[in-house]
Amino acid sequence: DQQVKQNSPSLSVQEGRISILNCDYTNSMFDYFLWYKKYPAEGPTFLISISSIKDKNEDGRFTVFLNKSAKHLSLHIVPSQPGDSAVYFCAAFHGSSNTGKLIFGQGTTLQVKP
Amino acid sequence: NAGVTQTPKFQVLKTGQSMTLQCAQDMNHEYMSWYRQDPGMGLRLIHYSVGAGITDQGEVPNGYNVSRSTTEDFPLRLLSAAPSQTSVYFCASRSGTGFSGNTIYFGEGSWLTVV
Repeated sequence: DQQVKQNSPSLSVQEGRISILNCDYTNSMFDYFLWYKKYPAEGPTFLISISSIKDKNEDGRFTVFLNKSAKHLSLHIVPSQPGDSAVYFCAAFHGSSNTGKLIFGQGTTLQVKP
Repeated sequence: NAGVTQTPKFQVLKTGQSMTLQCAQDMNHEYMSWYRQDPGMGLRLIHYSVGAGITDQGEVPNGYNVSRSTTEDFPLRLLSAAPSQTSVYFCASRSGTGFSGNTIYFGEGSWLTVV
């Protein structure tokens, strides 16, 4: 049972345009969501997060939107740059659980063309 | 990936062999975990530990064993390797079960091939 889903395996955008990466979740107990970025042959690195009490969080070119009723979150990258080309994972966490388990989606490979 | 060290980076095993993937962190983090990454499957949690002497199963624990005798180390053991365990393995640590996303650190990964 995939609790966190990224239904688009890949996305290609032109440099300077907006990249929108989507993520859906099924577990209503999740209350904290994160996006990670991963380059080949490296470990994932934290990008941005959002708590379920918010519907938007911005950090520079990156904005995460959360729609709790739809159990959907998205990551917007504006403007996209070639260096943004990587695999992006969304992840979810149940904050009040004492297990601290982080559940990841399948990942979306973003290619930003110059 | 500062602070989380995984070894080896690459390993080829024959079916039935055993091996241990090592993970060490020097940040005094309570929480450590092991993930595997497979194409189209994302990162799946294998085992995790909320502190020394405490471990528990994640989403895909079968075929793997862990122990946490010290805060710093969290080795992952494959007792009898199978081709289905061919994957990239990531160790991660963070400061506690309470959450601050940017305190999660991943190692650089261990590429394991079982033939």
